[in-house]
Amino acid sequence: LAKTTQPISMDSYEGQEVNITCSHNNIATNDYITWYQQFPSQGPRFIIQGYKTKVTNEVASLFIPADRKSSTLSLPRVSLSDTAVYYCLVDRSSGYSTLTFGKGTMLLVSP
Amino acid sequence: EAQVTQNPRYLITVTGKKLTVTCSQNMNHEYMSWYRQDPGLGLRQIYYSMNVEVTDKGDVPEGYKVSRKEKRNFPLILESPSPNQTSLYFCASSLFSSGRMEYEQYFGPGTRLTVT
Repeated sequence: LAKTTQPISMDSYEGQEVNITCSHNNIATNDYITWYQQFPSQGPRFIIQGYKTKVTNEVASLFIPADRKSSTLSLPRVSLSDTAVYYCLVDRSSGYSTLTFGKGTMLLVSP
Repeated sequence: EAQVTQNPRYLITVTGKKLTVTCSQNMNHEYMSWYRQDPGLGLRQIYYSMNVEVTDKGDVPEGYKVSRKEKRNFPLILESPSPNQTSLYFCASSLFSSGRMEYEQYFGPGTRLTVT
């Protein structure tokens, strides 16, 4: 399994763009990169998934450089309700199915 | 409504008293799993199941059992609970088809277990 490294915490203000970077140096060819969001005492919620280059949905964008050894979750114009823990996962697209969430990044958005 | 349900939501028990936490999903998902979440340790996978009668250990399986007799249900069993199993537990499910797991896992609301 590819191990991921994320900052433990980040601070931002309402209306700013937030970029959370995840390092996954030993990512394998078949691995996808997935991000989840978790609010206190709730289960994680899927945000976005990608394999290479850039993926965008209504919530966030995911940037993956050519070497795929890192990825960046971009949250445009954050609000107070974006305060949560964000997890980066890297795992194979088939077969082996243990998923490791790690400790995530605690994002605090202030007024 | 598509959902994953867990019961009970809160449970306080004593050491050694067997308990079962139920998990059920209504999305016909093949893949189901259990996680525990502890302060400072993030989410750790306990067991997972890729389909009926197919289960395997995750990162922290010691002290837990699971079964998958029906596609929709995946109970977590603690045969002899101990205080170090006090935690917040989440069940999750997702699609798994054509040899590939769809990574949008759907999580249940969580079960907060306290073992005294």
